[in-house]
Amino acid sequence: GAGVSQSPSNKVTEKGKDVELRCDPISGHTALYWYRQSLGQGLEFLIYFQGNSAPDKSGLPSDRFSAERTGGSVSTLTIQRTQQEDSAVYLCASRTGLAGELFFGEGSRLTVL
Amino acid sequence: EDQVTQSPEALRLQEGESSSLNCSYTVSGLRGLFWYRQDPGKGPEFLFTLYSAGEEKEKERLKATLTKKESFLHITAPKPEDSATYLCAVQSNYGGSQGNLIFGKGTKLSVKP
Repeated sequence: GAGVSQSPSNKVTEKGKDVELRCDPISGHTALYWYRQSLGQGLEFLIYFQGNSAPDKSGLPSDRFSAERTGGSVSTLTIQRTQQEDSAVYLCASRTGLAGELFFGEGSRLTVL
Repeated sequence: EDQVTQSPEALRLQEGESSSLNCSYTVSGLRGLFWYRQDPGKGPEFLFTLYSAGEEKEKERLKATLTKKESFLHITAPKPEDSATYLCAVQSNYGGSQGNLIFGKGTKLSVKP
């Protein structure tokens, strides 16, 4: 596709359930990032993948959060045993390498009841 | 610790009333400073990248400038369609998360006709 694609655009779940959020980056972009944006807060870095290197997981808030990137393309962010404080917009972005501008998707809005 | 502070948090302007948004940063070696625009319910949209002090970039009514400690986004004769949240981010040359962008909380701009 022409841009970064994320799905679902909206997800409502019950506390304690697991959720998976998907990101399809721009074709050819080797770097893929996940950020979280809570109401009134800035973008909080979660994790990034660059080519075949080990991902930088330094921003993941707890071990309930994990992400994988298959075949150097599509990525899935998984949140296990969701909590109400996980409610936020999860943004995915990609770029060619570790320099230059990031291109963002429209985000996945997660609401945990 | 790398840090980005944006001011003001919110800015209300009349159409045609020029102003500036501030982004103050501390970073251990600047690799790049980025400006993004974010509309409600959308992902951030890239505006500018600045790499070194003294650099300036322009796009329509927007002009971004950079010093060693801060960046300004100047808006000349704004129109209602310029209403959005403007985000500033920095990337460092050093440290464990060199590939990461650190974002400020943004300035919400409202332009009234």
